Amino acid sequence: AQSVTQLDSQVPVFEEAPVELRCNYSSSVSVYLFWYVQYPNQGLQLLLKYLSGSTLVESINGFEAEFNKSQTSFHLRKPSVHISDTAEYFCAVITLSGGGADGLTFGKGTHLIIQP
Amino acid sequence: GAGVSQTPSNKVTEKGKYVELRCDPISGHTALYWYRQSLGQGPEFLIYFQGTGAADDSGLPNDRFFAVRPEGSVSTLKIQRTERGDSAVYLCASSLNALNEQFFGPGTRLTVL
Repeated sequence: AQSVTQLDSQVPVFEEAPVELRCNYSSSVSVYLFWYVQYPNQGLQLLLKYLSGSTLVESINGFEAEFNKSQTSFHLRKPSVHISDTAEYFCAVITLSGGGADGLTFGKGTHLIIQP
Repeated sequence: GAGVSQTPSNKVTEKGKYVELRCDPISGHTALYWYRQSLGQGPEFLIYFQGTGAADDSGLPNDRFFAVRPEGSVSTLKIQRTERGDSAVYLCASSLNALNEQFFGPGTRLTVL
């Protein structure tokens, strides 16, 4: 079975500072990797995903994540955060061998708190 | 276009009662997933439908939980003899097919008193 670890439950950052949200996964088979974001009082939205190809993937609002197979990590980064980035961020994986039938496995989430 | 919708948005019930939670997926999406999110946790997989059939129900916690998708579109999650520990936000997601992006609904917040 696969698992996802997000070590930081909360990350406070000053506005315009860089941020990194850590995600490590464990799986004996190949996986697809995702970051989902949940803004206050809203549903989960896909932020970015790694399926194959370039290990660096980017979102439209300035976030990026890099798949590192040797370290089994998929850390999320942004060089300069904005107040509007305040949200809960979830890392998730899905195994390829299951054909998607085992659903997404999520981490516990990291609450990104942007301080003015 | 319309996203995934879930009804009701909130449900308060008493211990021992039966509840039904409904999910309307995005039109044309053949894959449908149910998740449960407890306070301070990430969503936890419950069951996955491909079309009308449950392709994987290994995440259902016990036999009080059951889900159907009779026509391959709308799905209903049914919980019998509810317990206080069932209190959580129940999320539904749909995708074009397995391994495609999952689109999540707003969730149903279930509170068992």
